[in-house]
Amino acid sequence: EIVLTQSPDFQSVTPKEKVTIACRASQSIGNSLHWYQQKPGQSPKLLIKYASQSFSGVPSRFSGSGSGTDFTLTINSLEAEDAATYYCHQSSDLPFTFGGGTKVEIK
Amino acid sequence: QVQLVQSGAEVKKPGASVKVSCKTSGYTFTAHYIHWVRQAPGQGLEWMGWINPNSGGTNYAQKFQGRVTMTRDTSLSTAYMELSRLRSDDTAVFYCARIYCNEGLCYLDYWGQGTLVTVSS
Repeated sequence: EIVLTQSPDFQSVTPKEKVTIACRASQSIGNSLHWYQQKPGQSPKLLIKYASQSFSGVPSRFSGSGSGTDFTLTINSLEAEDAATYYCHQSSDLPFTFGGGTKVEIK
Repeated sequence: QVQLVQSGAEVKKPGASVKVSCKTSGYTFTAHYIHWVRQAPGQGLEWMGWINPNSGGTNYAQKFQGRVTMTRDTSLSTAYMELSRLRSDDTAVFYCARIYCNEGLCYLDYWGQGTLVTVSS
């Protein structure tokens, strides 16, 4: 099974700051890495597909990069509504797996 | 627009079974596999398996083999996930999600709202 390790687990950030979340895969997954945002009481929402492609309707401040084993989600100029937990997810191989999540809190 | 609407919350006793439904709309039901994902309270996301709505074929995570059954009713555009022999640590929110694939690359694009299953005596 492919293990995804996210860092950090938690981040407290001031509005307009830049946020960077890392996700490392235990083996190469090409670009089959996707990022989701989950707010309390809601289902996960797709932000970035295939490591760097924005999903429809996602604000441009969200971007992704990486390939192989190392990936990054960047939120430029954080807004209050971005308070959430962010998960990476690999669809390269079954079983599908998710990172442990990164909770982003607004200071 | 694509929508996945799940059935309501359930409370079950240990040893019982639960069946969660996922009614889809806004796309051709048989064109996209449905995946199920579990999230225990305060925890992360755990993949359970998928069903091919066209053929009914399934693939389950090893952890749930023997306890989970995924089915579908194409006339209702609805997928189902049944989990048996429930334990207290099965208490979780269960999500269905549609997968979109293009040239062998896939991602989970639309998710249901989640169904809370509470297992308690």
